[in-house]
Amino acid sequence: DIQMTQSPSSLSASVGDRVTIACRASQDINTFLNWYQQSPGKAPKLLIYSASRLQSGVPARFSGSGTGTDFTLTISSLQPEDFATYYCQQSYTIPATFGQGTRLEIK
Amino acid sequence: QLQLHESGSGLVKPSQTLFLTCAVSGDSVTSDGSTWSWIRQPPGKGLECVGYIYHSGNTDYNPSLESRVTMSLDRAKNQFSLKLTAVTAADTAVYFCARDGHFYDSNGRHDAFDVWGQGAMVTVSS
Repeated sequence: DIQMTQSPSSLSASVGDRVTIACRASQDINTFLNWYQQSPGKAPKLLIYSASRLQSGVPARFSGSGTGTDFTLTISSLQPEDFATYYCQQSYTIPATFGQGTRLEIK
Repeated sequence: QLQLHESGSGLVKPSQTLFLTCAVSGDSVTSDGSTWSWIRQPPGKGLECVGYIYHSGNTDYNPSLESRVTMSLDRAKNQFSLKLTAVTAADTAVYFCARDGHFYDSNGRHDAFDVWGQGAMVTVSS
């Protein structure tokens, strides 16, 4: 399986801040990388697919970049509803594998 | 609007069999090209893909679970199911069903879990 590693594991920030979360794959996955947001007690929600494509209905303050093994998710100006856990996931091979998650907390 | 809803065993004894179903509304489980998945999340931990079932009924399972997993389609009820045998405490998790949606760009097809059920908590305990 392809291993996905996120950094940091947790992050404290304030409303209005710009934050970046990194994700590294154990091998080249081209742009077969997705990002999800999960709030407590809820199912994950797809934010970004194909490394940089914004899923329909997702606010434009979310963006993704990267190719190969290194990827980032950026939130340009944090809103109160953005404090959640974020996961990257590779879709290059089956089975899909996820990063361990990055918990974004209010400072 | 596509919606998924899990139901099934909430409490399972060790060594017994877990059984969950995912009812689908807003699409057919046999619609051409569709792919459906089970993903689980142990309490306080990350996400693990259990496997996939395709519109044809073919399956792909996570190798770590393959010897214990069976997925199936029920065309009449428009649902798909998960069976996991010989469960242990390590199988305690929230189990999500999801659609593995297909997206296309210049690099070809990209798959992502774009629609999820609300999740079903399964506890393995005697």
